[in-house]
Formats: sequence, structure tokens, C-alpha cells
Amino acid sequence: DAMVIQNPRYQVTQFGKPVTLSCSQTLNHNVMYWYQQKSSQAPKLLFHYYDKDFNNEADTPDNFQSRRPNTSFCFLDIRSPGLGDAAMYLCATRTGWDNEQFFGPGTRLTVL
Amino acid sequence: QQQVKQSPQSLIVQKGGISIINCAYENTAFDYFPWYQQFPGKGPALLIAIRPDVSEKKEGRFTISFNKSAKQFSLHIMDSQPGDSATYFCAARPGSARQLTFGSGTQLTVLP
Repeated sequence: DAMVIQNPRYQVTQFGKPVTLSCSQTLNHNVMYWYQQKSSQAPKLLFHYYDKDFNNEADTPDNFQSRRPNTSFCFLDIRSPGLGDAAMYLCATRTGWDNEQFFGPGTRLTVL
Repeated sequence: QQQVKQSPQSLIVQKGGISIINCAYENTAFDYFPWYQQFPGKGPALLIAIRPDVSEKKEGRFTISFNKSAKQFSLHIMDSQPGDSATYFCAARPGSARQLTFGSGTQLTVLP
């Protein structure tokens, strides 16, 4: 059974057209992460939530925003996608007191 | 000091051989060291993890060796199979931090 679910799995958008990626989890974990992963690179952390406490990485562009309306759901908004934002976007979750981090299957974003 | 250096970048092994991937770190506050396996188009999946209070952990064909004094840890895949062909990431987290620091990844190819 899927524990971290990402929708859609593939997203195509146009240059500058806002896009939202979603993540949901059935684990009731209080920490949720968004990563960007480009080809042949390690995942790069964009931001994370500890409960409702939002933590933005210093080098995350302002073009990227996130929302976490409740424990189960988290959204990644890309306000004006550029060609350089084409990547795999990974959601991950973790309990605050355990180390194991669970990744979702990712959303492959294409920007035309 | 937050970096985790991973080598080699790519590795080709014959079926039945031993695959060895190495990682080194500087931050002595790291106290959790996982290895993730990622297949193309999928999210990373936790393979095996170790804490610095042990020098070795084995799960099936996968073994982590940990050398605290040298600040190095490695993944050994015994009897490597073509199905093990994937990208492997080492990572580390200090106890107080919420995010993992990833190595750069190793693309493993196991030839049949």
C-alpha cells in the first residue's frame, strides 16, 4: 500500500504557467519535505514542514512556494516555471522522533 | 562541513560480484547514516541504515561498514544481481537536524 502518494506522476506545463504538485501521506508523519531532483543528481531539499512550522532552504528560489493545509497533505506551487525547473519533484515524510524518511514516487515536471 | 562525499560516480560489476560504494563525511555531529536505492523514474527507497555505535550492519546481501575514526562508511552488495542496477545515494543526518545531507550518487550497473 502506498504510504506517500504524489499526484500527478507526470506534469507538463508551459513556460510561466503556474503549476501545483500535490503530496499526501497515510503515515500520519509530522515532518514533510519537498525535494527537487535533476538528472544524475542527488535530491536537493527545497523546504520542509515540522507540523505547521515551515522551513525554507536559503537557496530555494522565491518562485517555489508550499502549503500544508493539514497533516496528510502538502502542496508545491511553482508560480512561474522556467525551463530550468524541469525536474523530478519528490515528497518525503518522517516522524519527528524517528530517523527513517519515506519518499514518494515523485512527479516528473516538464516545462515547454 | 555539511558535505558527504561519495565515490565512485559509476560502477560496473559482473553478476555475482561484490559492489562497493564509499562515502566520507566531516561533520562529527552526524549520527544517522542511511543508504537509498533509486530506480529510474522512481523515488529513493531506504535500503539500509546504521548508527555510529556499531561498525557493521547486514541485511541480506547488503552490508554497511562504518569507520568512525576515519569518518567513512561504505555499502557492500554481495552476489550482485542485474536487478540491483540502480543509483545509490548515501546520506547523513546529525541528531538535531531535520534534513538529510545526501552524497552525489553512484550509478551501479550489474552485467548479466
